[in-house]
Amino acid sequence: GAGVSQSPSNKVTEKGKDVELRCDPISGHTALYWYRQSLGQGLEFLIYFQGNSAPDKSGLPSDRFSAERTGGSVSTLTIQRTQQEDSAVYLCASSPSSGRVETQYFGPGTRLLVL
Amino acid sequence: AQRVTQPEKLLSVFKGAPVELKCNYSYSGSPELFWYVQYSRQRLQLLLRHISRESIKGFTADLNKGETSFHLKKPFAQEEDSAMYYCALLGAGNMLTFGGGTRLMVKP
Repeated sequence: GAGVSQSPSNKVTEKGKDVELRCDPISGHTALYWYRQSLGQGLEFLIYFQGNSAPDKSGLPSDRFSAERTGGSVSTLTIQRTQQEDSAVYLCASSPSSGRVETQYFGPGTRLLVL
Repeated sequence: AQRVTQPEKLLSVFKGAPVELKCNYSYSGSPELFWYVQYSRQRLQLLLRHISRESIKGFTADLNKGETSFHLKKPFAQEEDSAMYYCALLGAGNMLTFGGGTRLMVKP
């Protein structure tokens, strides 16, 4: 079946502009995660959604970052007033439930470059 | 706090040689550990998890709580094993904490 999809695959923006990154999880998966993969920082957790519960935002690096998940499916990660240090690959993952050992399935990522 | 350390950024071996990718973790509770792999131009995918005690593509990993390690091993490396390998810990909450990754290069 279809895996996690993300769009756009690449995004180039100017410093100070806002960007929106989209994630379509695997159908039926209730848990959705955003991670960031950057040079020198490795893979870091950003935010986690589980069903209709309030999201775990503990990994968001600043208040310029926000995310929402509409209808328990598609998620959008928004970065306001982008900075050069926001340049990274943003990965989305989903899992069937919030079970502790559920496998997280990753999307291909969105490569963001802030000039 | 939870932390995962992969001390080697790059590991280069010849085909047929044994390989061990090191992973150490720091976590006060009972950890659940995973190895994820990212092949060239492919997405990150699960390789194996300690709770399953399985061998995938010839790879195994044993959780050693005394040494707080979860090293990934394969007795005979193949060229197609060349990839980026990430050790990850599922601790508090449901997010994964990743190590910095080790690039494995298997030379012919």
